[in-house]
Amino acid sequence: KQEVTQIPAALSVPEGENLVLNCSFTDSAIYNLQWFRQDPGKGLTSLLLIQSSQREQTSGRLNASLDKSSGRSTLYIAASQPGDSATYLCAVIRSGGSNYKLTFGKGTLLTVNP
Amino acid sequence: DARVTQTPRHKVTEMGQEVTMRCQPILGHNTVFWYRQTMMQGLELLAYFRNRAPLDDSGMPKDRFSAEMPDATLATLKIQPSEPRDSAVYFCASGLVMWTVFNQPQHFGDGTRLSIL
Repeated sequence: KQEVTQIPAALSVPEGENLVLNCSFTDSAIYNLQWFRQDPGKGLTSLLLIQSSQREQTSGRLNASLDKSSGRSTLYIAASQPGDSATYLCAVIRSGGSNYKLTFGKGTLLTVNP
Repeated sequence: DARVTQTPRHKVTEMGQEVTMRCQPILGHNTVFWYRQTMMQGLELLAYFRNRAPLDDSGMPKDRFSAEMPDATLATLKIQPSEPRDSAVYFCASGLVMWTVFNQPQHFGDGTRLSIL
């Protein structure tokens, strides 16, 4: 059974700091890995999707990396802003023929202080 | 800006009652997902549909839950009878899937917060 762990559970940083969020998974036979953000009382917003054959993906100030062999992904946020405050979740997708198994981490609650 | 719309936003009802949650996917999207989020279990995938046909509902308790897409603009998730352990936030998401599911971004609604007393 795939287990997905996100460390730290919560993180508080001053505005402008570069930061790294971590996601680890136990089964390296993944199809892809996705990062989302969730604002309080809202649904998830898709941030980045990394295919199993890729090493990283970038979107603006966000960069996600994937190391399947070690079962790790990181989300790097450059020059953090108060608007980045949210819960960040990673999701690991495993393919089994025509079926997919999606496993989420519990998330990292990020607070960026002005 | 196109959005996934979920109704109701909040629902409080007593154990044993039927609960129906509705989702209007983004126009043109062909795939709909249902998720459940609790503090204890986190986010779980319940079921997903493509072109209105169920592809996988293995994450859903079969005895009391049912999911349908009566038409392309409406997806429903029903619980009958409801139990206190069903209390959670239920999210619907939609996406435009060209080839394989989970290979494109999903667009989430803001959820239905369900409390079963």
